[in-house]
Amino acid sequence: ETGVTQSPTHLIKTRGQQVTLRCSSQSGHNTVSWYQQALGQGPQFIFQYYREEENGRGNFPPRFSGLQFPNYSSELNVNALELDDSALYLCASSSGQEDSPLHFGNGTRLTVT
Amino acid sequence: AQRVTQPEKLLSVFKGAPVELKCNYSYSGSPELFWYVQYSRQRLQLLLRHISRESIKGFTADLNKGETSFHLKKPFAQEEDSAMYYCALTPSNTDKLIFGTGTRLQVFP
Repeated sequence: ETGVTQSPTHLIKTRGQQVTLRCSSQSGHNTVSWYQQALGQGPQFIFQYYREEENGRGNFPPRFSGLQFPNYSSELNVNALELDDSALYLCASSSGQEDSPLHFGNGTRLTVT
Repeated sequence: AQRVTQPEKLLSVFKGAPVELKCNYSYSGSPELFWYVQYSRQRLQLLLRHISRESIKGFTADLNKGETSFHLKKPFAQEEDSAMYYCALTPSNTDKLIFGTGTRLQVFP
């Protein structure tokens, strides 16, 4: 089975720009979560998608938005980028069944200048 | 407030020494507690969860509701245990994880 893959691995954007990060779920997984990990911090929950619907959201402003597609891949979009958005963005998928663990991708390193 | 606290940023021990990585949590309900590990140049992965009550790679963790702690322990550290360790909780009826800031474990030969 293939694991969670994220693209791109690195990205540099300018303040005010928009960015789209992509994630392919592990085979058989219908639930995708996104996390932001700032330097020296633990991952922070952004939101989760289950069967193409948002299914929970963390304390992030509306300029952070997402999509999940019928094949359960997902996108994270961030508008009006700010310097503090510089972080590692992690995608994690799970089967959605009770007690199923999260499988994380390697992340996308976003730098906002 | 829901919070996970890992007081140590770095823990250094010699091979064969016991290891205890501390984790305290703040949550009013009944959380699920986890330990995640990230080895060098690898992705974040689940190490163990309190409901499983199992030992993984020699590590154990006991949930102490009275002290709101979930410390990770191993009696004899190995060099391959060197990694970043994150404690996390899942509030009831959600799937989101609330992570601590992590502890880097260095095991010297």
